[in-house]
Amino acid sequence: EAGVAQSPRYKIIEKRQSVAFWCNPISGHATLYWYQQILGQGPKLLIQFQNNGVVDDSQLPKDRFSAERLKGVDSTLKIQPAKLEDSAVYLCASSLEFEKLFFGSGTQLSVL
Amino acid sequence: SQELEQSPQSLIVQEGKNLTINCTSSKTLYGLYWYKQKYGEGLIFLMMLQKGGEEKSHEKITAKLDEKKQQSSLHITASQPSHAGIYLCGARQTRAGGTSYGKLTFGQGTILTVHP
Repeated sequence: EAGVAQSPRYKIIEKRQSVAFWCNPISGHATLYWYQQILGQGPKLLIQFQNNGVVDDSQLPKDRFSAERLKGVDSTLKIQPAKLEDSAVYLCASSLEFEKLFFGSGTQLSVL
Repeated sequence: SQELEQSPQSLIVQEGKNLTINCTSSKTLYGLYWYKQKYGEGLIFLMMLQKGGEEKSHEKITAKLDEKKQQSSLHITASQPSHAGIYLCGARQTRAGGTSYGKLTFGQGTILTVHP
């Protein structure tokens, strides 16, 4: 069974630039999550989708972050403009309803 | 939001030693998950606990859930260098069927180093 796919694996940008991350969940998983993990901390939920609808985006900095999940499958997370404090690993996860979360390998973002 | 506190924050042990990592919640637990992470990589699922008193084992790793104390522990017996990594506990903070049920809130992680 294929796992959660994420790209790119690494990204280095300068502050005020924009960046986008892509996630392809496990086939059949209706729920998709984007987490932000700052060095030395646990992952923090940014946004949760159920199919292509947003369930929870209460911790998403909406002035600079946006996410979409077209057709209820792939998802993209965008940051525009990026700040130094956005440097983190961005993790995508998917799950069946009420089941455990499967995580992708993450995208390491460095903002210089 | 639910706070999860892990202890210790870091742990260094000699190969072959036993160790325990604790995870304490400030709110009711509706499911507790343990994951392992290598630096800069994704999380690998270890175990899921859903009922008070539940205990699960996989190879040399055992996890327990004390619902009354809102606490879980992860115990590794006869540690090996392959056990090294970051251990994270994650908890569901709403009942099944509640708003945004499914998402996990994570502790800050415990960094485990095993010296051969």
